[in-house]
Amino acid sequence: DADVTQTPRNRITKTGKRIMLECSQTKGHDRMYWYRQDPGLGLRLIYYSFDVKDINKGEISDGYSVSRQAQAKFSLSLESAIPNQTALYFCATSDVSYNEQFFGPGTRLTVL
Amino acid sequence: AQKVTQAQTEISVVEKEDVTLDCVYETRDTTYYLFWYKQPPSGELVFLIRRNSFDEQNEISGRYSWNFQKSTSSFNFTITASQVVDSAVYFCALSEAFTGNQFYFGTGTSLTVIP
Repeated sequence: DADVTQTPRNRITKTGKRIMLECSQTKGHDRMYWYRQDPGLGLRLIYYSFDVKDINKGEISDGYSVSRQAQAKFSLSLESAIPNQTALYFCATSDVSYNEQFFGPGTRLTVL
Repeated sequence: AQKVTQAQTEISVVEKEDVTLDCVYETRDTTYYLFWYKQPPSGELVFLIRRNSFDEQNEISGRYSWNFQKSTSSFNFTITASQVVDSAVYFCALSEAFTGNQFYFGTGTSLTVIP
């Protein structure tokens, strides 16, 4: 089984809808991250969490919110989706901040 | 300003050629970490290497090698005798102690190896 899982893997939704992307990990890592990938822009950090009680905004947090329900679960919400949030979203984990991050398979989100 | 620059957007090589992917980074921190990830067409991100700022030794792993030069703020990646399976997007990333070790990714280099 994969160490970092994301659900759903693909989602098509309409402008204005609320969407939640979920991430679960079995690596026992404290640190979890949400990124979005856009063509030509690489990966950009949306939010990150160093433990259940610690949530931090990343480079592009506007329009997004997160919830760290447990050490193993980190959810990303789009309260009112808009078309420019169409992207590939990745969840990642790490044991300490300076070590490599392990990525989930990604969620492809399309907002019409 | 972009912290990690991968100036090569796309590269095409013929199989068995060597290819170097460039990565230039910018940081004021003395303690930082550099990474390379591979994203094959299937979309997942695969970790390749981590290097800390105090270790400038070059590293070789099979056909892959990395050249870290602090003097030019570069961390270049060379694939020797390229193969079709090397076709992917490659990302360089920087993690700085100063900014809480957030990862900053470059925009990626898309490598196509032609059989």
